[in-house]
Amino acid sequence: SQTIHQWPATLVQPVGSPLSLECTVEGTSNPNLYWYRQAAGRGLQLLFYSVGIGQISSEVPQNLSASRPQDRQFILSSKKLLLSDSGFYLCAWSGDRNTEAFFGQGTRLTVV
Amino acid sequence: AQSVAQPEDQVNVAEGNPLTVKCTYSVSGNPYLFWYVQYPNRGLQFLLKYITGDNLVKGSYGFEAEFNKSQTSFHLKKPSALVSDSALYFCAVRPYGSTSGTYKYIFGTGTRLKVLA
Repeated sequence: SQTIHQWPATLVQPVGSPLSLECTVEGTSNPNLYWYRQAAGRGLQLLFYSVGIGQISSEVPQNLSASRPQDRQFILSSKKLLLSDSGFYLCAWSGDRNTEAFFGQGTRLTVV
Repeated sequence: AQSVAQPEDQVNVAEGNPLTVKCTYSVSGNPYLFWYVQYPNRGLQFLLKYITGDNLVKGSYGFEAEFNKSQTSFHLKKPSALVSDSALYFCAVRPYGSTSGTYKYIFGTGTRLKVLA
């Protein structure tokens, strides 16, 4: 069966520090991969999605970047964190067009 | 622009009563439709989906949803609510067809369901 791993679960980082969040999927090949941010426990904002290795689509201009160095690995990064980067970050994957997306357990990022 | 609307920030219902959480969408073509549930500090869990066929779809934990093409709605329902159903519920759509963005899931802003004992 397929599983998605996202870590760390919580992270407290100072302003100006770098960020690296990692997400990996097991049990499937060539998944579509997504990074979402959820602010204040409400709506989800799509940050990036990827349909293949090295193929990254950015949805909103921001202080973050994403990379997909391997088929089932998706990384969210920042060179210098801002206070406004705080939030709950969710990684997700999907298969064929008519399937649902499956989410990781999320990372609570607090920038101080 | 493609969008999903969940008009109610919060829905309160007494335990044992039926519940409805509303969702309407605006996308081109025939989208795929989904409902998810989120518990505090957790990821989203899939509940059910509509792809094609019968307008009433059944999902996990006794939930069901009714697709109405003319009203572009996909309301979530349950005949008898439980206190344990209290959570944040998200409606989502995934556009289908030749338009760009068919890989994206567009989420509503979420509706907090509170089931009172």
